[in-house]
Amino acid sequence: GQNIDQPTEMTATEGAIVQINCTYQTSGFNGLFWYQQHAGEAPTFLSYNVLDGLEEKGRFSSFLSRSKGYSYLLLKELQMKDSASYLCAVRDSNYQLIWGAGTKLIIKP
Amino acid sequence: NAGVTQTPKFRVLKTGQSMTLLCAQDMNHEYMYWYRQDPGMGLRLIHYSVGEGTTAKGEVPDGYNVSRLKKQNFLLGLESAAPSQTSVYFCASKGGEWEADTQYFGPGTRLTVL
Repeated sequence: GQNIDQPTEMTATEGAIVQINCTYQTSGFNGLFWYQQHAGEAPTFLSYNVLDGLEEKGRFSSFLSRSKGYSYLLLKELQMKDSASYLCAVRDSNYQLIWGAGTKLIIKP
Repeated sequence: NAGVTQTPKFRVLKTGQSMTLLCAQDMNHEYMYWYRQDPGMGLRLIHYSVGEGTTAKGEVPDGYNVSRLKKQNFLLGLESAAPSQTSVYFCASKGGEWEADTQYFGPGTRLTVL
């Protein structure tokens, strides 16, 4: 079966750095996406990885290791507005997105 | 651009009632999707469409039907609602098959079936 694992919840302090991990087992791999979802709102796109390595976009970076079936999202200089759920999704061999349950990130002052 | 819009935003149904959720996008996107999101679970694909006049089943299609008569609209129907269909429903659209094409989501419809 297809499976994507993320921690359910994480807590971090404003101004700090946090890493959210995602491991996956899917039928084929055609890219990995990270989305942010604030409570009661729609998911919005953060990053995309298809090759191994680090993609940096401002305060957010995403890393991929295809051989390990592993990705992480790194958030630097945390702000209160970063309190949200972070969803990991893998595009499988049928080009469909398989979604993780999301990691709820709580930022404390 | 309004992006992706969904109507209604909230709805309460009784078991056995029917309803239609409307999704509209103004980005001229070919691909459209209906997902449901339940606590503790990832987004699950109900049905999707790769272009006007086409539809296909996703991971959890039972109890739902869809239609894509116009490119900009994607309708999700519940013929006989059940409490298990209580969920938040998201519509999404995507431009094409380019590698990094991302899905754009609507604001969601919160449905409760009593």
